[in-house]
Amino acid sequence: QVQLVESGGGVVQPGKSLRLPCTASGFTFSSYAMHWVRQAPGKGLEWVADISGNGSKKNYADSVRGRFTISRDNSKNTLYLQMDSLRAEDAAVYYCARGIIGGWGIGYWGQGTLVTVSS
Amino acid sequence: QTVVTQEPSLTVSPGGTVTLTCASSTGAVTSGNYPNWFQQKPGQAPRSLIHTTSYKHSWTPARFSGSLLGGKAALTLSTVQPEDEADYFCQFYYGGTWVFGGGTRLTVL
Repeated sequence: QVQLVESGGGVVQPGKSLRLPCTASGFTFSSYAMHWVRQAPGKGLEWVADISGNGSKKNYADSVRGRFTISRDNSKNTLYLQMDSLRAEDAAVYYCARGIIGGWGIGYWGQGTLVTVSS
Repeated sequence: QTVVTQEPSLTVSPGGTVTLTCASSTGAVTSGNYPNWFQQKPGQAPRSLIHTTSYKHSWTPARFSGSLLGGKAALTLSTVQPEDEADYFCQFYYGGTWVFGGGTRLTVL
């Protein structure tokens, strides 16, 4: 079965960096676009970034462009989100999600990892 | 900045039918916005319900359907069950980026 497991969350100071891995299993990882979506406590969902199956195409939300970098290692079935220059407003649960073949959007979601930005 | 607008809250009786909608600040929603719908219950990760306007995932109950309605994207729940009480989010594609709506809290009462 499809599994997406995020890790790497924790407490980080403003201005610092954090990298979130998402380990995938149960499907051919390189065949799917992947997304990062975040949700601040008590708030709605915010799309953060996506990456094509081979990693050649990347897109970002305006709120993170230039600070966050999405990447993937298909040999390790792992998606990454490198977060630099973190701000208080970046605090959220970060979800890894799988795209859809033969359609547009998101299919499977991970359980999320919590990032807290605080001094 | 593109804004996607949903009803903040709706209430429906068990066994009834309810339609949730999503509007785009850029104008009429089209199939090219590839509307997606998600359900989220307290303390859980979101669950995908509908993609590409009207296509269901293999796990999506038959009572959920997606469509375009009057320039908006719509999610219709028929024969609503108590377990359908949740937050519902839509998501639209805008030429390389995706934007979520603010969510609709559906109460089954």
